[in-house]
Amino acid sequence: NAGVTQTPKFRVLKTGQSMTLLCAQDMNHEYMYWYRQDPGMGLRLIHYSVGEGTTAKGEVPDGYNVSRLKKQNFLLGLESAAPSQTSVYFCASSYASGIAYGYTFGSGTRLTVV
Amino acid sequence: GQQLNQSPQSMFIQEGEDVSMNCTSSSIFNTWLWYKQEPGEGPVLLIALYKAGELTSNGRLTAQFGITRKDSFLNISASIPSDVGIYFCAGQLPTNAGKSTFGDGTTLTVKP
Repeated sequence: NAGVTQTPKFRVLKTGQSMTLLCAQDMNHEYMYWYRQDPGMGLRLIHYSVGEGTTAKGEVPDGYNVSRLKKQNFLLGLESAAPSQTSVYFCASSYASGIAYGYTFGSGTRLTVV
Repeated sequence: GQQLNQSPQSMFIQEGEDVSMNCTSSSIFNTWLWYKQEPGEGPVLLIALYKAGELTSNGRLTAQFGITRKDSFLNISASIPSDVGIYFCAGQLPTNAGKSTFGDGTTLTVKP
């Protein structure tokens, strides 16, 4: 089925470890986003990309890096994980258009940093 | 930056009741979107609104784009147990790289 696929679905990291979250979409969407979701705080934008080879900072970018080497993939990296990065991470994608069509979200990556 | 206030934060209702929730903003948006998130999944788009005053339905769901462009409402009629989830509003501007500003969500619990 077409959509947004996130891997892995679950991960436990020790403080200081690094990891990369992968997001892949097969809808030929231009825009891609990484959000984190914490209880009572809704969805907060970490980084986003408006096209292959481009990235930009969102609302809460500190401690994260991203890359968009291919249009269909958007990678989120944690170089040195901290307990404050325990969260559920969602990737989303959308068309580039003057009229918003909304996002297609992945099913999330549940990350625990101990 | 732009902020959305979504209310209520949570709702506990009986099956068959109607539900209303709303979102207000300090800024004007050109598009309002409503999403539903079920446990363990990502949000799914329910309704998109593109014009001030617009009223759009999707089955038992009805959403409205406020006249001031600073608010939106979502109503669910005759709720059923599968309506359980978190409902998010989101506002969007056309020149903002597609970025949406999300509300904090309304958690809906439906008792059979």
